[in-house]
Amino acid sequence: AQTVTQSQPEMSVQEAETVTLSCTYDTSESDYYLFWYKQPPSRQMILVIRQEAYKQQNATENRFSVNFQKAAKSFSLKISDSQLGDAAMYFCAYREYAGKSTFGDGTTLTVKP
Amino acid sequence: GAVVSQHPSRVICKSGTSVKIECRSLDFQATTMFWYRQFPKKSLMLMATSNEGSKATYEQGVEKDKFLINHASLTLSTLTVTSAHPEDSSFYICSARSTGGNQPQHFGDGTRLSIL
Repeated sequence: AQTVTQSQPEMSVQEAETVTLSCTYDTSESDYYLFWYKQPPSRQMILVIRQEAYKQQNATENRFSVNFQKAAKSFSLKISDSQLGDAAMYFCAYREYAGKSTFGDGTTLTVKP
Repeated sequence: GAVVSQHPSRVICKSGTSVKIECRSLDFQATTMFWYRQFPKKSLMLMATSNEGSKATYEQGVEKDKFLINHASLTLSTLTVTSAHPEDSSFYICSARSTGGNQPQHFGDGTRLSIL
């Protein structure tokens, strides 16, 4: 079974600074998808960024970017120029094509003004 | 963007009551819907996966007679918690995905269920 590990239960960052959230996963598949979701206190899960495993280029979405290391099975999220609105719980997720997602335990990010 | 509406957002009811939660995809056809349970500051635990017109596939340890799932149309799935007890109190989240294995999941706002 696939597993997703987020080794940082909590992280904090100063406003305008950069923070990196780590995620590792375990799979024997070669084709799959990786996602980062954000869950603010309002509780709705919001897709932040996604990466297709067959793509070598790291995905970016404005201030959010990933460092995808397929051989190492690592998928970290970098948030640049952190804003107060970035404070939330972040979940890393793995999914095979048309399969179900496996979520990590989450990282709670605090942004200090 | 794709919107998933989940209703109600909060339910408080007495032990023994059955509670129905609705999940609707508003602007896309959801061929697959997922139901999750989440405890405070914890990850999402998948309860079941449903495909339109088919019986739901439940995860190990989830009682199918306790948590009834119906996915009768491409835009609506329901979760009914039958004879709810205090231990069923939790945050329930639905998620929907359209056709195509590479499509992302879109999440509802969740339902806070409190059983007294």
